[in-house]
Amino acid sequence: DSGVTQTPKHLITATGQRVTLRCSPRSGDLSVYWYQQSLDQGLQFLIQYYNGEERAKGNILERFSAQQFPDLHSELNLSSLELGDSALYFCASTRGRGGGPGTQYFGPGTRLTVL
Amino acid sequence: GESVGLHLPTLSVQEGDNSIINCAYSNSASDYFIWYKQESGKGPQFIIDIRSNMDKRQGQRVTVLLNKTVKHLSLQIAATQPGDSAVYFCAENRGPYGGSQGNLIFGKGTKLSVKP
Repeated sequence: DSGVTQTPKHLITATGQRVTLRCSPRSGDLSVYWYQQSLDQGLQFLIQYYNGEERAKGNILERFSAQQFPDLHSELNLSSLELGDSALYFCASTRGRGGGPGTQYFGPGTRLTVL
Repeated sequence: GESVGLHLPTLSVQEGDNSIINCAYSNSASDYFIWYKQESGKGPQFIIDIRSNMDKRQGQRVTVLLNKTVKHLSLQIAATQPGDSAVYFCAENRGPYGGSQGNLIFGKGTKLSVKP
């Protein structure tokens, strides 16, 4: 158990809908990272938050947004969902800002299915 | 574009044998590399890491080798066990020097199957 929790574990929705994925980092970790894992793209970095502020952005679509709250949990919002958004979404956490050696601990993921 | 990739998508080994999983990277500015193991239905799990100022690092039954000359990374698993069956990813952390602020760039993954 990495100490990172994600809810829900599974999510099934329809195209055009909006969903929210939730992540709680390990106790004491200030950074949260979101990744998307699909069969054809592998694991892709989406976005990082550090202590409530956006720190780095990867291949995140404009339809997607995230935030980190004062209690350090984070939410990833996916809107106007398309079939191609079906994937596993992972969050990871680290104690610091990142940018150097520092293990990212991954949560168990949320499996999103868009029908 | 620059990317981290894996030479072999699948690897099948006999229980008790040693496994070697390879990874190529193309960004010479990368300063930190990590191997993750992902079992079915679970998130990636840290195995071992290595900084770019090292060429070898050993853990429990695992060794990572880094060859910066040819930009190659390998993971060696000694006495492979059925519990080692999983997908293994190498990841590259380009750090502040690469401007990526700590996000990981993952390879495609190698599926390791251990035959009893």
